[in-house]
Amino acid sequence: DAGVTQSPTHLIKTRGQQVTLRCSPKSGHDTVSWYQQALGQGPQFIFQYYEEEERQRGNFPDRFSGHQFPNYSSELNVNALLLGDSALYLCASSLPGITDTQYFGPGTRLTVL
Amino acid sequence: QQQVKQSPQSLIVQKGGIPIINCAYENTAFDYFPWYQQFPGKGPALLIAIRPDVSEKKEGRFTISFNKSAKQFSLHIMDSQPGDSATYFCAAGQNAGNMLTFGGGTRLMVKP
Repeated sequence: DAGVTQSPTHLIKTRGQQVTLRCSPKSGHDTVSWYQQALGQGPQFIFQYYEEEERQRGNFPDRFSGHQFPNYSSELNVNALLLGDSALYLCASSLPGITDTQYFGPGTRLTVL
Repeated sequence: QQQVKQSPQSLIVQKGGIPIINCAYENTAFDYFPWYQQFPGKGPALLIAIRPDVSEKKEGRFTISFNKSAKQFSLHIMDSQPGDSATYFCAAGQNAGNMLTFGGGTRLMVKP
């Protein structure tokens, strides 16, 4: 049983560019959450998707947007990249109805130059 | 209200020792308390979790102690091994909610 997968592993962008990160949840999981983890800090909640809709959002600007597809996979889009967006972006999935028990993928390391 | 405070920031123990990591929270609506283990370059892995209807939960060498009145919970690692060297994060969530709020992390080193 494959765990949560994310792509790409690493990404380097310049300020002002746009980026798309991808996530496939664990088999049987229908809910996907995205987190940002700055170096040396704990993950911070960006938003959660369920039934192809954003269900809850953390304290992140509108430059951060997402999408969930019918197969439950998800994308995180960040527009107008800033240097401060450099971080590890983590995707987590959870079972139907048990959204607090979240399993994380390996993350995508984004570097903004 | 949403903050979870974790201590210590770093911890060094000898092999076989029992490192203890502590977390405190303010939001009484939290009712799910997981611990995650993260190795460098990897995503956090769910280690063990507790809900407030019990005061202690043990899985293998890992034990969570939970004190509802003090709004504190802790992770104990029995017979620690060098392979346990990693960063540990506590978190808090709500059964009816969707987001996890994480502590700042504890970097643990277990010396051989």
